[in-house]
Amino acid sequence: EVQLLESGGGLVQPGGSLRLSCAASGFTFGGYAMSWVRQAPGKGLEWVSTMSGSATTTYYADSVKGRFTISRDNSQNTLYLQMNSLRAEDTALYYCAKREGTSGWYFAFDVWGQGTMVTVSS
Amino acid sequence: DIQMTQSPSTLSASVGDRVTITCRASQSISSWLAWYQQKPGKAPNLLIYKASSLEGGVPSRFSGSGSGTEFTLTISSLQPDDFATYYCQQYNSYFRTFGQGTKVEIK
Repeated sequence: EVQLLESGGGLVQPGGSLRLSCAASGFTFGGYAMSWVRQAPGKGLEWVSTMSGSATTTYYADSVKGRFTISRDNSQNTLYLQMNSLRAEDTALYYCAKREGTSGWYFAFDVWGQGTMVTVSS
Repeated sequence: DIQMTQSPSTLSASVGDRVTITCRASQSISSWLAWYQQKPGKAPNLLIYKASSLEGGVPSRFSGSGSGTEFTLTISSLQPDDFATYYCQQYNSYFRTFGQGTKVEIK
């Protein structure tokens, strides 16, 4: 069974840092682009970042560019999101998501984790 | 960035109703559109990809159509399990964007 399990969320002060992890199982992790998507409390979905399976290509939403860094360890089947200079507006449930299909850059997200909550507050 | 606009924002319907949700893109996205269902406290679930392809395991009462800038998600006969929030998402651009969501409520 394909599974994604996020961890690392918590309460952090504005300007602080946090690293999220997403442990993957049930598929050949290195063969799939992976993404982070967040959802502020009571709000809609916001795409945050995507990294290719080979870790050679990354994309970020303007709202996090320069502050967040996506990375992955294919030997450990784990995706990461390093979040620096955190702001109140980064408060959200952070999901990792796997791409559907195996080739090209046109893909939806077919498997999602349960999410990890990040709260930025003093 | 490509803006995605869903309508309506909220929809009240009864079991057995035919329901249609519309999603419009600010520029052409070909057929690179997905639909997700999200229930309270749960992660989103992929229903439709490439505008009209049904994800495995998704009931056939769900269907998607459209191309370019206008898309629809149709539920042919609403079931109790379908009361949820639905999101469209474009993936024509490297910078993915979602619609704001449509909440389907019990009438």
